[in-house]
Amino acid sequence: QKEVEQNSGPLSVPEGAIASLNCTYSDRGSQSFFWYRQYSGKSPELIMSIYSNGDKEDGRFTAQLNKASQYVSLLIRDSQPSDSATYLCAVNDYKLSFGAGTTVTVRA
Amino acid sequence: IAGITQAPTSQILAAGRRMTLRCTQDMRHNAMYWYRQDLGLGLRLIHYSNTAGTTGKGEVPDGYSVSRANTDDFPLTLASAVPSQTSVYFCASSEATGELFFGEGSRLTVL
Repeated sequence: QKEVEQNSGPLSVPEGAIASLNCTYSDRGSQSFFWYRQYSGKSPELIMSIYSNGDKEDGRFTAQLNKASQYVSLLIRDSQPSDSATYLCAVNDYKLSFGAGTTVTVRA
Repeated sequence: IAGITQAPTSQILAAGRRMTLRCTQDMRHNAMYWYRQDLGLGLRLIHYSNTAGTTGKGEVPDGYSVSRANTDDFPLTLASAVPSQTSVYFCASSEATGELFFGEGSRLTVL
């Protein structure tokens, strides 16, 4: 089983809608969780980090963590065309492990 | 501008040749990493270094070597390139929180 699994996508949402991205991880001892955004041909950039159970909001982004279920998600509210990118979930145990990514397309 | 610099940005290489990808950071981060990114496989860790003078193997280390002589530099060497090493290579560094900062990537094609 891969250490970090993401819904494979691609995910297409209309402008203004909520995009929901999911990620599960296998190491129950993981403590740090991150979401990176990667535009085509560019390097990943950090958009959210979360360390404790519950929700963390930053602008239009909300990360949700449930350690008991080994699940972390990212919600993008009021999706904009500029949100079209691949979103990578990353989990830190002794190293940072990445999921394969979910490609999101926001259609105008 | 603070960050991570990778070189070259793109390279075409004949199989069997030796190649070194360079990575330099100016953020004084202790930890540095090399990842490769392939379609459908995401980012896979090749080698890492938690501090100057130490290195460790990641998920896919075979065919690659690294060194960490000082805090700022973390070169990745392919001793004898093979076509399966065609990929985009990202160097990254991190703070103690684990948040990674990436370079712009080096696109390598091995023919």
